Amino acid sequence: DAGVTQSPTHLIKTRGQHVTLRCSPISGHKSVSWYQQVLGQGPQFIFQYYEKEERGRGNFPDRFSARQFPNYSSELNVNALLLGDSALYLCASSLVPQGPYGYTFGSGTRLTVV
Amino acid sequence: DQQVKQNSPSLSVQEGRISILNCDYTNSMFDYFLWYKKYPAEGPTFLISISSIKDKNEDGRFTVFLNKSAKHLSLHIVPSQPGDSAVYFCAASAKTDYGGSQGNLIFGKGTKLSVKP
Repeated sequence: DAGVTQSPTHLIKTRGQHVTLRCSPISGHKSVSWYQQVLGQGPQFIFQYYEKEERGRGNFPDRFSARQFPNYSSELNVNALLLGDSALYLCASSLVPQGPYGYTFGSGTRLTVV
Repeated sequence: DQQVKQNSPSLSVQEGRISILNCDYTNSMFDYFLWYKKYPAEGPTFLISISSIKDKNEDGRFTVFLNKSAKHLSLHIVPSQPGDSAVYFCAASAKTDYGGSQGNLIFGKGTKLSVKP
């Protein structure tokens, strides 16, 4: 069975550009969450989606947005990139959104903003 | 303000000995705690969890202890193996108003464990 897949694996962008990161959850999982991990820090919650609706949002600016599609895959969009957006972006999927049970993380997308 | 703290950035242990990783938290609304292990170039992998109504949970070589009065938990790995070398994250989930747990996890900064042969 395929795990959580994220694309691309690595990405280099210039300040001011926008970026779209993609995530495909484990088959049967309906909830997708996004986390940002800056070097030397733990992952920080950005968004959670369940059944195409936003269920939670972390303390991130409006430049960050996301959506979930009917097949439960998800996109994370970041506009007007800043150097500080350089990080590993992790996607996690689960059967249901409540509680931390059964979260499976993907390997992440490494975003570098120059 | 960090709600989940892992004050030791690194830990080095000899193979076969016990590894003890510590985690402190400040939010009394946390009701579920988890440990994740992360290898370079991979996402975090769930290791073990504990509910706030328990004080111990064991799974093979891994045991998590929770001291609610001290707002402290620890992960014990016995015996430690070189393959355990990784970054370990402590994470927590808070109760919601309707009694469930929130979907988002709050992570500590991690502790890098090195197990030497």
